[in-house]
Amino acid sequence: EVQLVESGGGLVRPGGSLRLSCAASGFTFSNYAMSWVRQAPGKGLEWVSGISSSTGSTNYADSVKGRVTIFRDDAKNTVDLQMNNLRAEDTAVYYCAKGVAGAVGAIHDAFDIWGQGTMVTVSS
Amino acid sequence: SYELTQPPSVSVSPGQTASITCSGDNLGEKFASWYQQKPGQSPVLVIHQDNKRPSGILERFSGSNAGNTATLTISGTQAMDEADYYCQTWDTGTAVFGTGTRVTVL
Repeated sequence: EVQLVESGGGLVRPGGSLRLSCAASGFTFSNYAMSWVRQAPGKGLEWVSGISSSTGSTNYADSVKGRVTIFRDDAKNTVDLQMNNLRAEDTAVYYCAKGVAGAVGAIHDAFDIWGQGTMVTVSS
Repeated sequence: SYELTQPPSVSVSPGQTASITCSGDNLGEKFASWYQQKPGQSPVLVIHQDNKRPSGILERFSGSNAGNTATLTISGTQAMDEADYYCQTWDTGTAVFGTGTRVTVL
């Protein structure tokens, strides 16, 4: 069964750090780009970051650039999101999503598999 | 930054056709994807590359994209299609999601 399972969410104070992890199974992980997409309570979807297969090239949304780093480990089939200097507006459910392409931003890319999400709450 | 605009809500009677639009500058020159999200659930890809249905997605879901507008059409809408729908494309290496449309089956 194709599956993505996120972990690492929780409550963190403003300015704090958190590392989210996504474990993939059921497909050849190393062949596909992976992304993180978030959804604030009652709001729409917002792409956060993506990482390409093979090259490991990374892209970030302007809203998180400089505060977030995405990593992948093809040996462990995991993709992590390190988040630093967290703000209240980072509060959201964070989803891990598999791309249909190998390169993030490929014009035909889409997100065909999603995890169940992990909640991040930034509050004092 | 690139923006995609959707109507906040669309209402449709059971068995009728629902059309959801997604507007963006020269969107027709890019590929559009569509996601369905039911309350408390993760999004599901229903259309990619403008008009392709992933395996397992019912034939009543179809898509088109030309000019500045992509459209998701749900034919013979059923109560189970009631959900939020988001369009998505790529612009300079970043993914952009639309504002979302809530489809209500009355």
